[in-house]
Amino acid sequence: DTAVSQTPKYLVTQMGNDKSIKCEQNLGHDTMYWYKQDSKKFLKIMFSYNNKELIINETVPNRFSPKSPDKAHLNLHINSLELGDSAVYFCASSPNAGGYGYTFGSGTRLTVV
Amino acid sequence: SQQGEEDPQALSIQEGENATMNCSYKTSINNLQWYRQNSGRGLVHLILIRSNEREKHSGRLRVTLDTSKKSSSLLITASRAADTASYFCAPYTGANSKLTFGKGITLSVRP
Repeated sequence: DTAVSQTPKYLVTQMGNDKSIKCEQNLGHDTMYWYKQDSKKFLKIMFSYNNKELIINETVPNRFSPKSPDKAHLNLHINSLELGDSAVYFCASSPNAGGYGYTFGSGTRLTVV
Repeated sequence: SQQGEEDPQALSIQEGENATMNCSYKTSINNLQWYRQNSGRGLVHLILIRSNEREKHSGRLRVTLDTSKKSSSLLITASRAADTASYFCAPYTGANSKLTFGKGITLSVRP
């Protein structure tokens, strides 16, 4: 059973489209995160939810909107995709927001053409 | 919150040798974590060392923490080709604080 699963694994789409990435964890963790990894492997946090409540909202374009229907799911919707959005997006979870180790999903490689 | 800075950026060693990777940070921390990322995969949590700990072991991994120098090191002993990956350190500074990752160290272990 995959602990943190993301779908899709690959996403190729045209500029201007709207797309969603889904994430689910079966670890019973309270906290979930979205990270963006660029081509130079730099990982930047985007959002975090703790028990469905948004607790971290970094400076990202408002075209990116997270949604957490329950504490096991955290989805990322991106409107009006741009070339610069091409990256690998990672979902992660942790038992709570108190500094425990994160469990990462395997990533979604988004390519905007 | 603030990121760790890993050093060196890249490291190439022969199988069987030890690999030492360093991490420096700027402010007080609650704990510091090390992660591994294999090519095309997500990050995997390796070890967490708390601010009141000086050394921690896990299998072939040994992590040290020097809070006075604001630095940590990750030692992989008797390296294997399968250890080839990127390694990231992430200092954790407090409640509701996120983990901020550096650019990582690319380790290549030659068979």
